[in-house]
Amino acid sequence: SQQGEEDPQALSIQEGENATMNCSYKTSINNLQWYRQNSGRGLVHLILIRSNEREKHSGRLRVTLDTSKKSSSLLITASRAADTASYFCATDLNNDMRFGAGTRLTVKP
Amino acid sequence: NAGVTQTPKFQVLKTGQSMTLQCAQDMNHNSMYWYRQDPGMGLRLIYYSASEGTTDKGEVPNGYNVSRLNKREFSLRLESAAPSQTSVYFCASSEQGQGGYTFGSGTRLTVV
Repeated sequence: SQQGEEDPQALSIQEGENATMNCSYKTSINNLQWYRQNSGRGLVHLILIRSNEREKHSGRLRVTLDTSKKSSSLLITASRAADTASYFCATDLNNDMRFGAGTRLTVKP
Repeated sequence: NAGVTQTPKFQVLKTGQSMTLQCAQDMNHNSMYWYRQDPGMGLRLIYYSASEGTTDKGEVPNGYNVSRLNKREFSLRLESAAPSQTSVYFCASSEQGQGGYTFGSGTRLTVV
């Protein structure tokens, strides 16, 4: 399916460490996006990477996209307790965006 | 504040009752969406509206209807609620090709 699948399902790290989350998908895409969701809240858009791009940065976030492997990764550097949330990748194809089940990140102070 | 507004935030229905979830955005976006989120399953697309006057089925449309009332508003209707529709419902909007989706804060629906 087009839907992305995140790996790992859960990740626990210490404040200051880096966190890496991966996303795999199965079909062609126009772009891939990453979102954060704090408990009980809506999703917040973090970053979008188009199918012809390989890497993008936004602050402490770094996203890579490998369309030949149909995979993407999200790196959060120098993590903070406030980064504790669920992170979702979403694949967009012709205005139809599908989400994975997410990675639950816990950053311990 | 610009964004997506959903009402109500919480709702409990009895099986067979009907209700409409409301969504409005003030960002002049053309596209609007309804998703449901269930534990461990991420978000699944119910219906979307690429532009005013059009609606299309998503991944899980059965049991739902939608109305794109105007450019700002996109409502989701449950005609006869079932316990399987217990979920958190999110509305979102976007301008295609110009960035990510903006989500509302969600409606937590319980069908008993």
